[in-house]
Amino acid sequence: GAVVSQHPSWVICKSGTSVKIECRSLDFQATTMFWYRQFPKQSLMLMATSNEGSKATYEQGVEKDKFLINHASLTLSTLTVTSAHPEDSSFYICSAPNEKLFFGSGTQLSVL
Amino acid sequence: QKEVEQNSGPLSVPEGAIASLNCTYSDRGSQSFFWYRQYSGKSPELIMFIYSNGDKEDGRFTAQLNKASQYVSLLIRDSQPSDSATYLCAVKPNDYKLSFGAGTTVTVRA
Repeated sequence: GAVVSQHPSWVICKSGTSVKIECRSLDFQATTMFWYRQFPKQSLMLMATSNEGSKATYEQGVEKDKFLINHASLTLSTLTVTSAHPEDSSFYICSAPNEKLFFGSGTQLSVL
Repeated sequence: QKEVEQNSGPLSVPEGAIASLNCTYSDRGSQSFFWYRQYSGKSPELIMFIYSNGDKEDGRFTAQLNKASQYVSLLIRDSQPSDSATYLCAVKPNDYKLSFGAGTTVTVRA
């Protein structure tokens, strides 16, 4: 199956700093990638859809200026959590559709 | 009404038994249906997908789809302790976006 690589797997940062998460499609080109957030014991919540070469589409309630998404190439999308705060601590997962939906390994973000 | 609904569980079954997971969805136009398995702290892993009414079997897993009733289920036969995880039902209406259920936690007792 298609492979989606996500880095880093986990990150601990101080409140107020920014964190960048990368998502790469390794064996196919992804014009679209999805970014999800998952809090403990809850399901995946779609945050935004990144589109190669154009602006991302954000779901209702997701702050565009806080969660910056860049999809500069057909294989790479990045999510930057700006000025992170403890309430942003969560499991962030990217995915790329290729007939089915394949997920990256996820990034556990802990903001102190 | 949530787009995709699942019983949260936990569903506890003895080793070797059948685990039955249910999922209902609200968008009658949905065409694709997926079951993902998620271990604690890991990202979801696709285990089954089904597009047509009826049953689809893959090893110990069987997905069942009934579009008229807007219902999709997953059966796990000969349950093993390694099957203990949260199972997410996902439905794809018209575009690439999937709608996920909240997940059913399954515990297989040795």
